[in-house]
Amino acid sequence: GENVEQHPSTLSVQEGDSAVIKCTYSDSASNYFPWYKQELGKRPQLIIDIRSNVGEKKDQRIAVTLNKTAKHFSLHITETQPEDSAVYFCAASGGGSEKLVFGKGTKLTVNP
Amino acid sequence: NAGVTQTPKFRILKIGQSMTLQCTQDMNHNYMYWYRQDPGMGLKLIYYSVGAGITDKGEVPNGYNVSRSTTEDFPLRLELAAPSQTSVYFCASSQTYNEQFFGPGTRLTVL
Repeated sequence: GENVEQHPSTLSVQEGDSAVIKCTYSDSASNYFPWYKQELGKRPQLIIDIRSNVGEKKDQRIAVTLNKTAKHFSLHITETQPEDSAVYFCAASGGGSEKLVFGKGTKLTVNP
Repeated sequence: NAGVTQTPKFRILKIGQSMTLQCTQDMNHNYMYWYRQDPGMGLKLIYYSVGAGITDKGEVPNGYNVSRSTTEDFPLRLELAAPSQTSVYFCASSQTYNEQFFGPGTRLTVL
């Protein structure tokens, strides 16, 4: 089955800096890669997703890149703000499965 | 739309007790999921359903049961609660290969 590895587990940046979180997946048939943000005590919420027919997707300060050959995808947050502080999860699914397999999460702290 | 709703928000169980966690969605999604999230950890899939009358096991199904008699409801049953089932439980729904919408979660403690 699918296995998703996420790095780093914690990330601390200064306000205004960029943050990058990386994930690798094992199943070459996976074709859907969402990123979720979870604030303390809240539910996970989708912030951006990408499908395997696209190499990059942007939404304001957030971007995701996908390298199908290397089987990895990354979340890029530019001009970080304190409200970006949260736990971020990557996930992968596809190959005929509706199941999402999640990474273990990255705790991002943006210091003012 | 209320989205995905879960009840109760909090519950404390004694070892060996049973309970049902309720999940309802009003988005007419075919797919529904139950996850557990242990402190500082990611989300692990317990059970999922691709439509009414169809359920399947996820990564960690032991100690749990589900049913899906309607499109809207997907209850999770805990039989003989154990301390290892102390966790936050999230229900989610989606329409095929699209965004999964999560409920607010149920925080369960088994003592």
